Amino acid sequence: ETGVTQTPRHLVMGMTNKKSLKCEQHLGHNAMYWYKQSAKKPLELMFVYNFKEQTENNSVPSRFSPECPNSSHLFLHLHTLQPEDSALYLCASSQDRIVEETQYFGPGTRLLVL
Amino acid sequence: QKEVEQNSGPLSVPEGAIASLNCTYSDRGSQSFFWYRQYSGKSPELIMFIYSNGDKEDGRFTAQLNKASQYVSLLIRDSQPSDSATYLCAVQTGANNLFFGTGTRLTVIP
Repeated sequence: ETGVTQTPRHLVMGMTNKKSLKCEQHLGHNAMYWYKQSAKKPLELMFVYNFKEQTENNSVPSRFSPECPNSSHLFLHLHTLQPEDSALYLCASSQDRIVEETQYFGPGTRLLVL
Repeated sequence: QKEVEQNSGPLSVPEGAIASLNCTYSDRGSQSFFWYRQYSGKSPELIMFIYSNGDKEDGRFTAQLNKASQYVSLLIRDSQPSDSATYLCAVQTGANNLFFGTGTRLTVIP
């Protein structure tokens, strides 16, 4: 247990569905991240939040919409996804938004888009 | 050009041997380098980080950094079957982002 939880752990959705991924960290960290991990590809940073403010969006399509209501919770809202969006979505947190801070990863949500 | 490159493997070593995992990076200004271990079906966990040229040892793990050659490696001494996992190299870029390699799959054979 890293202190970062994610729900659901597995999700199957159609291309017309709307769903949300949830991440919660119990570490008192200020920075939270969404990553996408696809087979045979590097881990890709999607979004960064620092003190609830989005600081980075790495050219992620608008069908992915993050929300950070407070420093402990992070959501990823999904709508009209494509089959190529099927991947493992990992949430991470760190004490602050500096790269030297260790990032702690959640267990991930395995997403399949049909 | 990929930011971070690793051999995908699989790399197989016998139990008790030294496993050597290599990583090269493209941004010469990178300052911080990390090794994460990811067991199958699990999330990455940080095992080592290194900022300065040379070696850094932590138990059975040694990270080696050569900034001139843009090369970072991880040595695992006395490899155990429990070390079997995918090892991800991550490099900090000038934009203060972490870029990950695709990972090297290591199998330690009992």
